[in-house]
Amino acid sequence: DGGITQSPKYLFRKEGQNVTLSCEQNLNHDAMYWYRQDPGQGLRLIYYSQIVNDFQKGDIAEGYSVSREKKESFPLTVTSAQKNPTAFYLCASSTGFQDEKLFFGSGTQLSVL
Amino acid sequence: GENVEQHPSTLSVQEGDSAVIKCTYSDSASNYFPWYKQELGKRPQLIIDIRSNVGEKKDQRIAVTLNKTAKHFSLHITETQPEDSAVYFCAPNQAGTALIFGKGTTLSVSS
Repeated sequence: DGGITQSPKYLFRKEGQNVTLSCEQNLNHDAMYWYRQDPGQGLRLIYYSQIVNDFQKGDIAEGYSVSREKKESFPLTVTSAQKNPTAFYLCASSTGFQDEKLFFGSGTQLSVL
Repeated sequence: GENVEQHPSTLSVQEGDSAVIKCTYSDSASNYFPWYKQELGKRPQLIIDIRSNVGEKKDQRIAVTLNKTAKHFSLHITETQPEDSAVYFCAPNQAGTALIFGKGTTLSVSS
């Protein structure tokens, strides 16, 4: 399964609710990433983390938050401030941060009830 | 930041034909140029990449060519097969930044 696991596969959010998407890797990778995929929009970078206890905003960070307390885990919280959260969310990891192959998880489809 | 464009957005070919997808970028400091393939319902996977000190790289039926002066690189697939049908993404990046992906090209190969 590539060593990077996302859960759940499907997630539903109610109005005003925060939800958290899980991403775990056992590849001993230093860097981890969150991308959002909408039809026809490609993959847009939400947040990334080069090392534990450090992360940076990507192009569309508003309405999202992350933490990197452990090397193997990089959870993404979609807050109530994100007004259009319906999308496919992909987590990825890489050995190092520069010019490295990304390994992707199988994704989480988030929908609004 | 990096401005990335892919052309065409959709491409339909007959089995056995060649397919070419072009990616243009804006940041002249970009030095790593990968291509990812995403089959329907699956995760993206790296299929080939090239670095700025190389002009071309081949791996069986796929190749990538780079023109740093013009700031574009292209994916070439020869002898296309139905299993090549997928969405292809380029992701040129500057050292020290996370990969920024293009919007993707949907390739359909009909038999």
